[in-house]
Amino acid sequence: QQQVKQSPQSLIVQKGGISIINCAYENTAFDYFPWYQQFPGKGPALLIAIRPDVSEKKEGRFTISFNKSAKQFSLHIMDSQPGDSATYFCAASILQSGSEKLVFGKGMKLTVNP
Amino acid sequence: DAMVIQNPRYQVTQFGKPVTLSCSQTLNHNVMYWYQQKSSQAPKLLFHYYDKDFNNEADTPDNFQSRRPNTSFCFLDIRSPGLGDAAMYLCATSRDGPGHQPQHFGDGTRLSIL
Repeated sequence: QQQVKQSPQSLIVQKGGISIINCAYENTAFDYFPWYQQFPGKGPALLIAIRPDVSEKKEGRFTISFNKSAKQFSLHIMDSQPGDSATYFCAASILQSGSEKLVFGKGMKLTVNP
Repeated sequence: DAMVIQNPRYQVTQFGKPVTLSCSQTLNHNVMYWYQQKSSQAPKLLFHYYDKDFNNEADTPDNFQSRRPNTSFCFLDIRSPGLGDAAMYLCATSRDGPGHQPQHFGDGTRLSIL
């Protein structure tokens, strides 16, 4: 029940294409869904996040779509660039005693070819 | 720049020889987390501190301990490292609210066991 399932595991797109990453969760207690971007040799960095009372959030080329009834959410990267090549983790979060507890998906390695 | 700093970036130790990894932060966040990230896997929460209160995850092995002498520093001690403990160890910090607060990650320490 604490799992977050992420797919696909890897994706190769051409520059300018759309990258789509899908995630699903089971625990309805999760109430915050961030996406993290991780470059090789670096720690994850928060990219964009959404709350379950919102169906879509857009920041620049990055859009999260959220389907509460299906317990699914996805990240769309529009006009993908070679600099977007990284590993992307979806996560689900719950606040416990003032602390943020994150459960990560297994990650998706994105390669954007020039 | 305010940040989360992990030292060393690479650590090699011998099987069974105790090792300590360190994390410092200039963000003045009161929550600090330690994650273990094995190759091509998601970060897995080991434990976290809310101020001085230690919160251990149920499935974290007893071999892993932590200390937080002050707000800025947190240490991860592995008492008797086994080959399966080879991983990237990530430190993260966050404020305690209100609501969900993003976690800020360091660049990790990659631990190798000989």
